[in-house]
Amino acid sequence: DVKVTQSSRYLVKRTGEKVFLECVQDMDHENMFWYRQDPGLGLRLIYFSYDVKMKEKGDIPEGYSVSREKKERFSLILESASTNQTSMYLCASSLRQGGQPQHFGDGTRLSIL
Amino acid sequence: GEDVEQSLFLSVREGDSSVINCTYTDSSSTYLYWYKQEPGAGLQLLTYIFSNMDMKQDQRLTVLLNKKDKHLSLRIADTQTGDSAIYFCAVSSNDYKLSFGAGTTVTVRA
Repeated sequence: DVKVTQSSRYLVKRTGEKVFLECVQDMDHENMFWYRQDPGLGLRLIYFSYDVKMKEKGDIPEGYSVSREKKERFSLILESASTNQTSMYLCASSLRQGGQPQHFGDGTRLSIL
Repeated sequence: GEDVEQSLFLSVREGDSSVINCTYTDSSSTYLYWYKQEPGAGLQLLTYIFSNMDMKQDQRLTVLLNKKDKHLSLRIADTQTGDSAIYFCAVSSNDYKLSFGAGTTVTVRA
């Protein structure tokens, strides 16, 4: 089974802090993704990466950056956290071939105070 | 981008069938997925279908695709209390990006 592990289930930070969310997958997937989930809005793509050191902006990249130094790990960085970044963050991975489904971690519920 | 629409709520009696509907706008959508999210958890892949198929069945789950109407449905037979969750429809027309609906909250009542 594919395993996507997010480092924290719950996280509380203060406005202005730099926040790191970590995600690791164990299936040698080329693609990795970061989403945020808000009630009534579904999932919105923040960033994705299709290879080590490669990244592309998703639909809502403002206020976020990412890092992919190793194939199995994809980090989401909130440069200066703000209260409107309070949300559920979901990491996913998939094989590169077309049609391969994305597999998700359990999510990190982040609160910015 | 792609618009994906789902009704927000569905209430069903235990033992009945549930049908969750989804419509999308991009006729070039090639891959279509159903995910399940239980409270406090991530998304679990339930099933998926390619656009060259009309139907896919997997145990209690049946997916129907009407490409002409750009309509996807998920039928759950013999719905159980453990099926209470949020169900997301997602579609893709390229290798990487998925467009998600807002999710349908299914409540199973005794």
